Amino acid sequence: ETGVTQTPRHLVMGMTNKKSLKCEQHLGHNAMYWYKQSAKKPLELMFVYNFKEQTENNSVPSRFSPECPNSSHLFLHLHTLQPEDSALYLCASSQDAGTGELFFGEGSRLTVL
Amino acid sequence: RKEVEQDPGPFNVPEGATVAFNCTYSNSASQSFFWYRQDCRKEPKLLMSVYSSGNEDGRFTAQLNRASQYISLLIRDSKLSDSATYLCVPAAILTGGGNKLTFGTGTQLKVEL
Repeated sequence: ETGVTQTPRHLVMGMTNKKSLKCEQHLGHNAMYWYKQSAKKPLELMFVYNFKEQTENNSVPSRFSPECPNSSHLFLHLHTLQPEDSALYLCASSQDAGTGELFFGEGSRLTVL
Repeated sequence: RKEVEQDPGPFNVPEGATVAFNCTYSNSASQSFFWYRQDCRKEPKLLMSVYSSGNEDGRFTAQLNRASQYISLLIRDSKLSDSATYLCVPAAILTGGGNKLTFGTGTQLKVEL
């Protein structure tokens, strides 16, 4: 059972909708991440937060808006998405900068109609 | 040029076989290196770290050649349960904290009876 929980597991939304993905980690980690996984493509890093501060934005379009209220919670707010944004969105956490071991949630599968 | 290049496979091998995967990476600033494993429709999980001197974990051996920017994974005595996608992951530490892991597309392994 993963220490990183993501909700919802599945989400279908229209291009004009506004929705949010939620991630919670129960591991006491300091860093949290959003990754996007599309079919036939490698995992793409989107955002990194360390102690609630954003330390990386990998040129992500502004229609994706992250929020990290504390070290245990991470949100990804979605608005006016495009069909090509349909993908699996994976949240992860890590203890510190040195280990490189990320613990992933099971992902939120997003379909944009 | 892709940041991480891996042969996508699939590699179909019989149980008990030895199989090797290779990977090259382009970012010479990468500081840490890992192999992750991803089962079908599951989240990635850390398999092992990769050290310059080479390291072994049971049936798994990883090698790193920094000069050639090349990483390898050897699996001996393959088991059916080894069937998965193996992801090559170089990583850098972000200035503000957290890790920037760059994932390859992965190499798919199918172990057969």
